[in-house]
Amino acid sequence: SQQGEEDPQALSIQEGENATMNCSYKTSINNLQWYRQNSGRGLVHLILIRSNEREKHSGRLRVTLDTSKKSSSLLITASRAADTASYFCAFPVSSGSARQLTFGSGTQLTVLP
Amino acid sequence: EPEVTQTPSHQVTQMGQEVILRCVPISNHLYFYWYRQILGQKVEFLVSFYNNEISEKSEIFDDQFSVERPDGSNFTLKIRSTKLEDSAMYFCASTGQASNQPQHFGDGTRLSIL
Repeated sequence: SQQGEEDPQALSIQEGENATMNCSYKTSINNLQWYRQNSGRGLVHLILIRSNEREKHSGRLRVTLDTSKKSSSLLITASRAADTASYFCAFPVSSGSARQLTFGSGTQLTVLP
Repeated sequence: EPEVTQTPSHQVTQMGQEVILRCVPISNHLYFYWYRQILGQKVEFLVSFYNNEISEKSEIFDDQFSVERPDGSNFTLKIRSTKLEDSAMYFCASTGQASNQPQHFGDGTRLSIL
């Protein structure tokens, strides 16, 4: 299977703490993307890391990629209640020009005020 | 910032009826996608569309599904004879020409089959 797997499935932390979510995959990838989904809403792109990058930052987000272990992590620092959402990793399964995304199973993050 | 827009936000339909879900991708994007998410499950790829034709489709995208780009802006997903198991959130996405670009998603259409 080319699907991604994430852990933990659910994470509950206090506001101000850091949250780390992990993603593993099985195929070779050109990039890995992280998305956020608020309950009942669409997917919002957070950050894209290319296969030749090891770490990337965007505001309070830090993403790492280890292609030798086929894994990635998303760190949210100084979490806020508004960060409560589901977080998905996704990677393009390139077949010709299609580049459709395969999504991980997601981590449900709850940040308690 | 440009957005992908989807209509309707919620569609309720009797089993066996046809539904059309509509999407307006970002205007200068060239690749278009439909995904679905059954409640509580992961997001699944349905179909990709490029250069006015389907470029890839998943096993889910069987003969009862079709896509169309009837004009320069709309991208539609039609389900010909809906089944109960078609109940899900359906997301449209688009991306530009260059590789290593993120996909931009709409807010989805919640399809409920009765």
